[in-house]
Amino acid sequence: GENVEQHPSTLSVQEGDSAVIKCTYSDSASNYFPWYKQELGKGPQLIIDIRSNVGEKKDQRIAVTLNKTAKHFSLHITETQPEDSAVYFCAASIQGAQKLVFGQGTRLTINP
Amino acid sequence: GAGVSQSPSNKVTEKGKDVELRCDPISGHTALYWYRQSLGQGLEFLIYFQGNSAPDKSGLPSDRFSAERTGGSVSTLTIQRTQQEDSAVYLCASSRSNSGNTIYFGEGSWLTVV
Repeated sequence: GENVEQHPSTLSVQEGDSAVIKCTYSDSASNYFPWYKQELGKGPQLIIDIRSNVGEKKDQRIAVTLNKTAKHFSLHITETQPEDSAVYFCAASIQGAQKLVFGQGTRLTINP
Repeated sequence: GAGVSQSPSNKVTEKGKDVELRCDPISGHTALYWYRQSLGQGLEFLIYFQGNSAPDKSGLPSDRFSAERTGGSVSTLTIQRTQQEDSAVYLCASSRSNSGNTIYFGEGSWLTVV
């Protein structure tokens, strides 16, 4: 089955700097890759997703890139702000199967 | 409601007791999922319902765990004879279908077994 590895497990950056979180997946049939942000005591919230027919997608300060050949995808957050501090999860699924397989999460801390 | 609703938000139970966790998905969403998140860990898939199809139970960790979805809407996750290792946040999610649509999560039910 699908296996998703996420790195780093913790990341600390200065406010205003960029943060990058990377994930790799094992199943070449996976074609949907969402990213979720989870704040303390809350459920995960989708922040951006990408499908295998595109290589990059951007939404304001957040971007995701996908390299299908290498089977990895990354989350990029620019101009980080204190409210970006949270745990971020990547996930992968095969369209039609819909069962998301999650990475282990990255605890991002933005230092003021 | 506007989002996935779960209850209770917190539950403390004694080891050996049964617990029921409820999930009310977003209206119109035919797909419903249960995930488990242990402290500081990632999300572990438990079970998936899609319309009237047989559920995908491949993630249930033992036969003490079961789930139902009545009328294609509300779902109940039942844990029988709870053990301390069952302590976790149980997250419910829903989506419109199984065709790659966005999956929305509820706030979770935090279960503590003492």
